[in-house]
Amino acid sequence: KQEVTQIPAALSVPEGENLVLNCSFTDSAIYNLQWFRQDPGKGLTSLLLIQSSQREQTSGRLNASLDKSSGRSTLYIAASQPGDSATYLCAVRPWRGSTLGRLYFGRGTQLTVWP
Amino acid sequence: NAGVMQNPRHLVRRRGQEARLRCSPMKGHSHVYWYRQLPEEGLKFMVYLQKENIIDESGMPKERFSAEFPKEGPSILRIQQVVRGDSAAYFCASSRGTSGRQTQYFGPGTRLLVL
Repeated sequence: KQEVTQIPAALSVPEGENLVLNCSFTDSAIYNLQWFRQDPGKGLTSLLLIQSSQREQTSGRLNASLDKSSGRSTLYIAASQPGDSATYLCAVRPWRGSTLGRLYFGRGTQLTVWP
Repeated sequence: NAGVMQNPRHLVRRRGQEARLRCSPMKGHSHVYWYRQLPEEGLKFMVYLQKENIIDESGMPKERFSAEFPKEGPSILRIQQVVRGDSAAYFCASSRGTSGRQTQYFGPGTRLLVL
């Protein structure tokens, strides 16, 4: 069974810092990995999706890397801003089988960026 | 193009009542997923449906819970005889297909509180 772990559970940083969020997963047979952002009381917003054959994806100040063989992904946020404050979720999609489409989520990293 | 819509956004029920949660997928999307987020936990997959078919319900409790996605109208997640442990945020997601590049788009969720 796929288990997804995110470290740290919470992170508080001053504005302008570069930071790294970590995600690990136990089964390397994944189809893709996705990073989401969740704001309090809101739904999830997809940030980056990395296919299993890819090593990284970039969008603006965000860069996500994937090392499938070691079961790890990192989300790098450059020059953090207060508006980045949210919970960041990592989710993996298994490769094949009846669970195709199902996402396995970590518990998230709650990020606070203070001015 | 409206996103995934869920209603109600908040639902309060007393123990033993029924809860009906509705999800309207994005236009052109025929795949619907339901996830549950218990307090202080990550999102857990419940069920995956296509129009008129349940594809994977392995994450859904076998008793009291049911889901449908009729040919016309929204997908419905139904919880009979609710108990306090059912209090959670229920998220619906939709996708156009299940290929690896098809991301799931999430609705804002329904927060269910059982008194």
